[in-house]
Amino acid sequence: DGGITQSPKYLFRKEGQNVTLSCEQNLNHDAMYWYRQDPGQGLRLIYYSQIVNDFQKGDIAEGYSVSREKKESFPLTVTSAQKNPTAFYLCASSISSGVVYEQYFGPGTRLTVT
Amino acid sequence: AQKITQTQPGMFVQEKEAVTLDCTYDTSDQSYGLFWYKQPSSGEMIFLIYQGSYDEQNATEGRYSLNFQKARKSANLVISASQLGDSAMYFCAMRDDTGGFKTIFGAGTRLFVKA
Repeated sequence: DGGITQSPKYLFRKEGQNVTLSCEQNLNHDAMYWYRQDPGQGLRLIYYSQIVNDFQKGDIAEGYSVSREKKESFPLTVTSAQKNPTAFYLCASSISSGVVYEQYFGPGTRLTVT
Repeated sequence: AQKITQTQPGMFVQEKEAVTLDCTYDTSDQSYGLFWYKQPSSGEMIFLIYQGSYDEQNATEGRYSLNFQKARKSANLVISASQLGDSAMYFCAMRDDTGGFKTIFGAGTRLFVKA
């Protein structure tokens, strides 16, 4: 079955620690995205990548970093510089980055930092 | 500037009835795509329907249809014959050329289907 996997589903960290969220897709999609969702709100774009070894900042990139070394993988690191990291994180992919292509989403990772 | 507005924080509908979820958008680009996603309580986002800015016909996918009024910049989602499983958050989204192919999302509408 093709799809996007994110692990783990729930993640707990102490303040001051970096943490990496995994995102893997086997849909052969070129474009991948990371979103943050806070309770009762819509999605905000953190980073996106249109092709391997290339990525761009989204609207709220501060305190986050990404890499895209393989087409199928787009891990997100939440650094200690992110002031309010507790949130629901969603990874997505699309065939390409054109306007017509819908995004497919993973199940999400709920990060709690205390 | 790109913007998506969903003015209904919550909506109630009786099972088997139709419901319309509102969405208005703002873009200066001529080429753009409009999307609706469903987010159940499990959290994952499910793609429902797509409408391109140059499509003359309203999009339909099973019980979902998109009422696209380009001049008014509105892209309302119509769900016919509501089912209990339709209870979820619904997000309107847009992607255009000027936005660097980023997708922006509205704040969402929570739909409650009553038995």
